[in-house]
Amino acid sequence: SQQGEEDPQALSIQEGENATMNCSYKTSINNLQWYRQNSGRGLVHLILIRSNEREKHSGRLRVTLDTSKKSSSLLITASRAADTASYFCATASGTYKYIFGTGTRLKVLA
Amino acid sequence: NAGVTQTPKFQVLKTGQSMTLQCAQDMNHEYMSWYRQDPGMGLRLIHYSVGAGITDQGEVPNGYNVSRSTTEDFPLRLLSAAPSQTSVYFCASSYAPQGGTEAFFGQGTRLTVV
Repeated sequence: SQQGEEDPQALSIQEGENATMNCSYKTSINNLQWYRQNSGRGLVHLILIRSNEREKHSGRLRVTLDTSKKSSSLLITASRAADTASYFCATASGTYKYIFGTGTRLKVLA
Repeated sequence: NAGVTQTPKFQVLKTGQSMTLQCAQDMNHEYMSWYRQDPGMGLRLIHYSVGAGITDQGEVPNGYNVSRSTTEDFPLRLLSAAPSQTSVYFCASSYAPQGGTEAFFGQGTRLTVV
């Protein structure tokens, strides 16, 4: 079963707007990561946030983590057409296994 | 520095055939893993390895075998392909257990079993 569930499943916005996607998970975690996947390609790591962190920034990306609600959000500010991709959260809970969510498909319209 | 290299990129198999998906990394990473990606299912872990000679099962291991004789290579074997194994397969590596570091992914192998 999936540990992480992203919401929404699909998102369509205009270039320049902000995009927010959410991830909920079921068990306690050590950290949570976000990955991007362009169509037909492998996954690319975006950002890692540890369980003792609440917020992290990387360029136009802002990630928050609420361990009490078992949820995380990824905000992409000032979206560009090149941000069109699927975004996945992945959680690690003390084992060697990463569990991925089902992903959010983001489409940024020029 | 090539990162994680998967071969082949595409493959069509007949039911019952066997094949090996190759994965190689040149980053001296100890941890390697195989995932399959199906529509609406995200990525599911098949097998993983924490170092040469050490492998373990993931979430969906049935129908797949792995071995890790070197740090660089982590092949995935399908012994008797079934249509249910039609999927996109990704290999990933990281320098530490994925609990604390990013994973690097290959470009994927698109497998169709007819």
